[in-house]
Amino acid sequence: GAVVSQHPSRVICKSGTSVKIECRSLDFQATTMFWYRQFPKKSLMLMATSNEGSKATYEQGVEKDKFLINHASLTLSTLTVTSAHPEDSSFYICSALTGNHGYTFGSGTRLTVV
Amino acid sequence: KQEVTQIPAALSVPEGENLVLNCSFTDSAIYNLQWFRQDPGKGLTSLLLIQSSQREQTSGRLNASLDKSSGRSTLYIAASQPGDSATYLCAANNFNKFYFGSGTKLNVKP
Repeated sequence: GAVVSQHPSRVICKSGTSVKIECRSLDFQATTMFWYRQFPKKSLMLMATSNEGSKATYEQGVEKDKFLINHASLTLSTLTVTSAHPEDSSFYICSALTGNHGYTFGSGTRLTVV
Repeated sequence: KQEVTQIPAALSVPEGENLVLNCSFTDSAIYNLQWFRQDPGKGLTSLLLIQSSQREQTSGRLNASLDKSSGRSTLYIAASQPGDSATYLCAANNFNKFYFGSGTKLNVKP
């Protein structure tokens, strides 16, 4: 079946630094990927839609300059949290559209900013 | 904007019970609805996907139903097992945007 690999699974960084999270489709081409954020004990909130070869579409309230998304190939989308602050600590999950199979999700990245 | 609600927020049952998890959504113009399982600190595992034209889907002990007109979906788990303990999320797909409920945290006691 369709598999999405997300790395790293956990990352701890210092305030002010940037962190890159990768999302790869392993056995299919994903023209569209999605990035979600999950706050503790809350549900997932869509942050942005990433389309291969074009600019990402951000949801209302999401700072595009802080959460940089790049989808340079059909199998890789990256989310970079720039100048991270403790309030950016969260669980980030990517997903990819897999046609009739719906959406496949990555295993998530736990970001902790100290 | 689509709003998805899941009831109950938490559920604790003894092993072997059949149980129903509920999901409601406000905008019936969905493309599909998907049920997921999330284990603590982990990503999402897709359980069942129901297209808007379908009424139900089954996989093993799981059965999901969809009633678009009333904005409801249910996930039925038969003969629950301790390994079923997890948070179950439903997500409504509107124009390729997923709107998630806040989940039902299930605990199946041995």
